[in-house]
Amino acid sequence: GAVVSQHPSRVICKSGTSVKIECRSLDFQATTMFWYRQFPKQSLMLMATSNEGSKATYEQGVEKDKFLINHASLTLSTLTVTSAHPEDSSFYICSADGPLLAGGYNEQFFGPGTRLTVL
Amino acid sequence: QKEVEQNSGPLSVPEGAIASLNCTYSDRGSQSFFWYRQYSGKSPELIMFIYSNGDKEDGRFTAQLNKASQYVSLLIRDSQPSDSATYLCAVNMYGGTSYGKLTFGQGTILTVHP
Repeated sequence: GAVVSQHPSRVICKSGTSVKIECRSLDFQATTMFWYRQFPKQSLMLMATSNEGSKATYEQGVEKDKFLINHASLTLSTLTVTSAHPEDSSFYICSADGPLLAGGYNEQFFGPGTRLTVL
Repeated sequence: QKEVEQNSGPLSVPEGAIASLNCTYSDRGSQSFFWYRQYSGKSPELIMFIYSNGDKEDGRFTAQLNKASQYVSLLIRDSQPSDSATYLCAVNMYGGTSYGKLTFGQGTILTVHP
């Protein structure tokens, strides 16, 4: 089956520093990847859609200068949280559009997530 | 009004019973509907996918879709303690192929007690 990895799985950083999270599709190519954020006891909120070779599309309310997304290849997308603050502490999950399901719809495969804690 | 709405629960059922999870959505143009299971601290995993009106069965799971009522449900038969998790309903709000932007409901916490 399609596998998506994320690195690191857990990161603790000081306020004001930047953190980079990598999302890789291991056994398939993903033209489109998605970045989500999940706060405790809340659902997944889509932050941005990342398309290989083009600029990411950010959801309303997400600061594109703070959350930098780069999708440089068909197997790698990165999310950089710049000048992180404690309120950025969250569970960040990426997903990738995988093979087509019946009816022509893509299944999204999720990475294992990255737990970010900003002190 | 939330775009995708679920009863947050918790829903508690005894082992062996049927668990019924419900989801409503606001966009009539929605094309495809997904049920994900998420264990605490883990990322979601796909349980069921449906895009046509009616029922779709896969093992102990049955998804039901009623586009006229903008309603999708998930039934879990013979519930097991290992089914205890948060179940997320996700809707492709924009239709089409390949551009699979999903909007998630807030999730229903299911607890199956022995």
